[in-house]
Amino acid sequence: KAGVTQTPRYLIKTRGQQVTLSCSPISGHRSVSWYQQTPGQGLQFLFEYFSETQRNKGNFPGRFSGRQFSNSRSEMNVSTLELGDSALYLCASSQTGANTGELFFGEGSRLTVL
Amino acid sequence: EDQVTQSPEALRLQEGESSSLNCSYTVSGLRGLFWYRQDPGKGPEFLFTLYSAGEEKEKERLKATLTKKESFLHITAPKPEDSATYLCAVQARSGGGADGLTFGKGTHLIIQP
Repeated sequence: KAGVTQTPRYLIKTRGQQVTLSCSPISGHRSVSWYQQTPGQGLQFLFEYFSETQRNKGNFPGRFSGRQFSNSRSEMNVSTLELGDSALYLCASSQTGANTGELFFGEGSRLTVL
Repeated sequence: EDQVTQSPEALRLQEGESSSLNCSYTVSGLRGLFWYRQDPGKGPEFLFTLYSAGEEKEKERLKATLTKKESFLHITAPKPEDSATYLCAVQARSGGGADGLTFGKGTHLIIQP
């Protein structure tokens, strides 16, 4: 069974640019969550989608957005990049809408903002 | 605001030397407490879910316990392959469903042969 796939794995952008990250969940999983991981703040919740609807959102500015498609694949977008956006962005999927906290994470997309 | 504090930040043990990792939390209505393991360059891997005080879960050399204010991850006779960062997270019970997980910063565990 294939795991959660995130693309791209690494990318470098400059301040002011925007970036789109992609996540393909495990087959059959309908919930997709996004997290930002930095050495200083650890893992922080961005948002969660279930059946194409955003159910929960963390405390991040509006520059961070996401969406989910009918096949459960998800994308997140960061506009007007800042140096502080450099981080590992992790996508996680889960099987049901129960939001049990048993998440299956991908290996992440490492974003560097110069 | 939900908070999770893990201690120690780093721990170095000899192979076979048992120890415990601590996770202290404050949350407005606990839906669940979760332990994850993260290896370098990988995403976190789910280990346990605990829902109520007094609950215990075991998996190989790991045992997780929960009280009303903290959780412990006990590692018995660890092996070098147990080296990883161990993350604790809580999930609040909100009116409209469940919130995203609030993670601690983790304990970086090194097991020396």
